[in-house]
Amino acid sequence: GAGVSQSPSNKVTEKGKDVELRCDPISGHTALYWYRQSLGQGLEFLIYFQGNSAPDKSGLPSDRFSAERTGGSVSTLTIQRTQQEDSAVYLCASSWGLPYGYTFGSGTRLTVV
Amino acid sequence: AQRVTQPEKLLSVFKGAPVELKCNYSYSGSPELFWYVQYSRQRLQLLLRHISRESIKGFTADLNKGETSFHLKKPFAQEEDSAMYYCALRRQGAQKLVFGQGTRLTINP
Repeated sequence: GAGVSQSPSNKVTEKGKDVELRCDPISGHTALYWYRQSLGQGLEFLIYFQGNSAPDKSGLPSDRFSAERTGGSVSTLTIQRTQQEDSAVYLCASSWGLPYGYTFGSGTRLTVV
Repeated sequence: AQRVTQPEKLLSVFKGAPVELKCNYSYSGSPELFWYVQYSRQRLQLLLRHISRESIKGFTADLNKGETSFHLKKPFAQEEDSAMYYCALRRQGAQKLVFGQGTRLTINP
């Protein structure tokens, strides 16, 4: 596609429910990243995928968070048993890899009530 | 571990005045530094990279390894510069970027 596409753009969920956030990267981009953007916290790295390599999960805040990337393209970020502190904008980005910069999606705004 | 610090959460200047957004980093190796910008209701986008040594929209940033800084500067601010600015670092050989907390810049008319 022309850009990085994320869905849904907004998600309101009840505390304790599971949510899935989707990212469709730019076709051909080998690297895909998930970040969380919240007030006062800036952009917090969550996870990244590079080709067929094992993902770097070092930024996932707890085991309630997981992500997968199927077929080297679309990625899904899953948050289980959501908590209010999970409320944030979840950003996806993709890249050709080093030395290129990222192209960001428009994000999913998650609100846990 | 590498860290990026943007000491000002909010910065407000008048149109036509110079603007400087501060960014300091901690990393012992040779970093690659970036500035990203997010205008209202738009996506986060790359503004400039230190290795390109370019000026984008009148903004420049110089990597100062002695002071471990990468401040973003513009001599004459314009109203359309109002946005959220993030400084980011990529350590040598790594893929992921480490971002600062961001500075919200407001240009007053």
